[in-house]
Amino acid sequence: SQQGEEDPQALSIQEGENATMNCSYKTSINNLQWYRQNSGRGLVHLILIRSNEREKHSGRLRVTLDTSKKSSSLLITASRAADTASYFCATDYGGNEKLTFGTGTRLTIIP
Amino acid sequence: KAGVTQTPRYLIKTRGQQVTLSCSPISGHRSVSWYQQTPGQGLQFLFEYFSETQRNKGNFPGRFSGRQFSNSRSEMNVSTLELGDSALYLCASMGMDRGHTEAFFGQGTRLTVV
Repeated sequence: SQQGEEDPQALSIQEGENATMNCSYKTSINNLQWYRQNSGRGLVHLILIRSNEREKHSGRLRVTLDTSKKSSSLLITASRAADTASYFCATDYGGNEKLTFGTGTRLTIIP
Repeated sequence: KAGVTQTPRYLIKTRGQQVTLSCSPISGHRSVSWYQQTPGQGLQFLFEYFSETQRNKGNFPGRFSGRQFSNSRSEMNVSTLELGDSALYLCASMGMDRGHTEAFFGQGTRLTVV
């Protein structure tokens, strides 16, 4: 079974706007990661945030982590058509390379 | 360096048959994990191999098995295929040490069971 839920399930925004998606998980984690998947292809790693971190940035990506609420958010600023994809959060428990994925958010950027 | 390579990319099999999928990880990576992705169940962890040993296993029936060779290449096998086994099967390789949990995924094998 999956670790948690992501919301929204689907999101459509205009190019240039910011996109925010959320991930909730159920148990304590070691790391939380975000991945992107284009049209049923392989997943691409975007960013990793450790359980003792609260915020992390990478280019146009900003990730926050609230371990008290067991939730994370991914913000993509100044969206581009190429950002159209599905986004998944994934958690691990430390010392265990098994990743547990969320349900994913389907993001569509409208040119 | 070369990424993760999965073969074949597409496969059509008949119910009751068996299938073997292959994954070549990034050079130097010793951990290989397999995931099944379906519209209904999402991304589900199958198993993970490290240095030829299965280290983690998901909740799949015994029809799903795997192995890893000394060069870190991995195969997974599904016997007695069922219609519900139709899915995208993804392989991921990870770095050499524990704690490096960033996974590098292959393009997947799309299995269709008819």
